[in-house]
Amino acid sequence: QKEVEQDPGPLSVPEGAIVSLNCTYSNSAFQYFMWYRQYSRKGPELLMYTYSSGNKEDGRFTAQVDKSSKYISLFIRDSQPSDSATYLCAVRGGSSNTGKLIFGQGTTLQVKP
Amino acid sequence: EAGVTQFPSHSVIEKGQTVTLRCDPISGHDNLYWYRRVMGKEIKFLLHFVKESKQDESGMPNNRFLAERTGGTYSTLKVQPAELEDSGVYFCASSQRWGVTEAFFGQGTRLTVV
Repeated sequence: QKEVEQDPGPLSVPEGAIVSLNCTYSNSAFQYFMWYRQYSRKGPELLMYTYSSGNKEDGRFTAQVDKSSKYISLFIRDSQPSDSATYLCAVRGGSSNTGKLIFGQGTTLQVKP
Repeated sequence: EAGVTQFPSHSVIEKGQTVTLRCDPISGHDNLYWYRRVMGKEIKFLLHFVKESKQDESGMPNNRFLAERTGGTYSTLKVQPAELEDSGVYFCASSQRWGVTEAFFGQGTRLTVV
């Protein structure tokens, strides 16, 4: 069983739609939850991170973590064609000396004008 | 400020040959990480340097892979001899502190072994 599961998609939505991206994880020790965005032929770029449970909002993006169900989500409001990319969830353990990130497979999103 | 830089951007080599990938982290970043993405799979951790020391190399697949970070600056990842299953995109990331939430990724090196 993978430590982080993410539906690879692809996901295609019209411009202006609300997008919901999700991941599940298996280890309750994970404390940091990240969302990265990756454009084609580029490296992953950190979008948002959350420590433990709760919500975090940044502009059109909202990240949610539900530790009781081991479920993490990213919502994109008013999606734009420029949001078309692969979105990767990642988790990290709570130990301060563990820099290792565990990634989901990534969901490819296309926002059509 | 320059970002994380990786060389080459793309490398095609024959099975059995040797390839060396290079990563220049952001200046002042003590933490350097190598990751790999094999086609169709998720990005996987390879190892973590703190300055010139290997903090965690639990993700290194086998002894054909050798990572170094001499002087705590740039890092190299050598694959010798390369096998077909080594094909993929190799990413390097760096961060100033332990918090990987602040890690910045390079654009990756696409390695193709034929």
